[in-house]
Formats: sequence, C-alpha cells, structure tokens
Amino acid sequence: KAGVTQTPRYLIKTRGQQVTLSCSPISGHRSVSWYQQTPGQGLQFLFEYFSETQRNKGNFPGRFSGRQFSNSRSEMNVSTLELGDSALYLCASSRDRGSGNTIYFGEGSWLTVV
Amino acid sequence: DQQVKQNSPSLSVQEGRISILNCDYTNSMFDYFLWYKKYPAEGPTFLISISSIKDKNEDGRFTVFLNKSAKHLSLHIVPSQPGDSAVYFCAASSVNAGGTSYGKLTFGQGTILTVHP
Repeated sequence: KAGVTQTPRYLIKTRGQQVTLSCSPISGHRSVSWYQQTPGQGLQFLFEYFSETQRNKGNFPGRFSGRQFSNSRSEMNVSTLELGDSALYLCASSRDRGSGNTIYFGEGSWLTVV
Repeated sequence: DQQVKQNSPSLSVQEGRISILNCDYTNSMFDYFLWYKKYPAEGPTFLISISSIKDKNEDGRFTVFLNKSAKHLSLHIVPSQPGDSAVYFCAASSVNAGGTSYGKLTFGQGTILTVHP
C-alpha cells in the first residue's frame, strides 16, 4: 500500500515569496500532521488536521498555515519566506486521531530559501 | 524546554553486538512512545512503539523497554547490522490529554548510530 506522498521533494524560493507544499496521506488515514526539521531545532510539530479541521498547532508564526481537503489530502503554506524557513518539511498521517496510533511519515519536502 | 531528551549524540557498535539507545522524558502526561530511524533528507521510518501500560515490546531484532518511574525508555537492537546505521529518534505523545495533543509528537534530538562491519 502506498505510503505518505509529499510534493515537491525539493524546491528553492526567494525571500519574501510564498510556498505551498502538498501531502497525500496513506489511504484510510484521516489525521495529517506537519513537522519542520532544521539542524538547530530538530523535529518540531507545526499543526495537525483531522476531517478538514485543525485540531492542534505548534509554536510557529502565523505565516505558517495549512488546510485539509475532504479526501484527507493536505497542504501547508508558508508566506513571506525568511532564510530561517529553510528546512525539511515532513508530513505524517495516522489512521485515527493521531494520538496513540502509529504515525507514518512521508519523504519530506526540502525547502531552500535564498 | 526539552521534554524528550536523547543525551547521547552518537553511538558506535560492532556488527553482531547489541546497540542500546536511550531516551528520557520529563512530561508525565506522555503515555505513548515511538522510535524512528532516519536517513538525511528523508522522512523518519517507524520502527517500534510502546504504550505506557507496558514495560516491554519486541519486534524482531528491536525491543523497547519503558521505565515509567524513571521516565526512561531504551531501544535495543540485537544483533546490530551495518544497515542499521542511521539517526534514531525517540518520540512521545499523550493519548489521553485531550485536544491539545492530537497528532503531536515531541521528538528527542536524535542519536547517530554507526554499526561497523
């Protein structure tokens, strides 16, 4: 069965631009969450969606946003990009509420801001 | 505030020997723990998990031990293989803490495991 799919895998953006990353969860999984990985901060939770509703949000500025569609696919958007937003962005999915269930990760989208 | 800590940045072992990776946590609300293996620029791969109602869980070469009183868990890999060389992350979540914890994993900093042939 297909895993969590993220697109694009690699992208380069300029400061001030915005970016949209896409995630298709494992079939049957309704919870989608997003994480940022940087060398300095490690893996940090951004937000989680379930049934098109954001249920949990990490400590990131409002420039980071997301949404989930009725087919459970999710997108995250970062506006007004800063150099510090360069990171590996990971999408994860789980079958139910995302808590107490195994959470599976995609390969990630590597964003470089120049 | 580092709620999940992996105090050993790296670990080096010989092929065939046991690898023991450690993880400590401070938040007593955590009740579900997972271990992931990760290669650079790739997503974490799930290895094994344990609920706080257990103190041990095994899956093939991987065993996770949980000591709730010490707020400590460890991952044992026996026997270690060169293909196990990667970064290992410990993660924790709260099953019963309500809406504020949904889908949220708190990760440790990771331990780089190198298995020498």
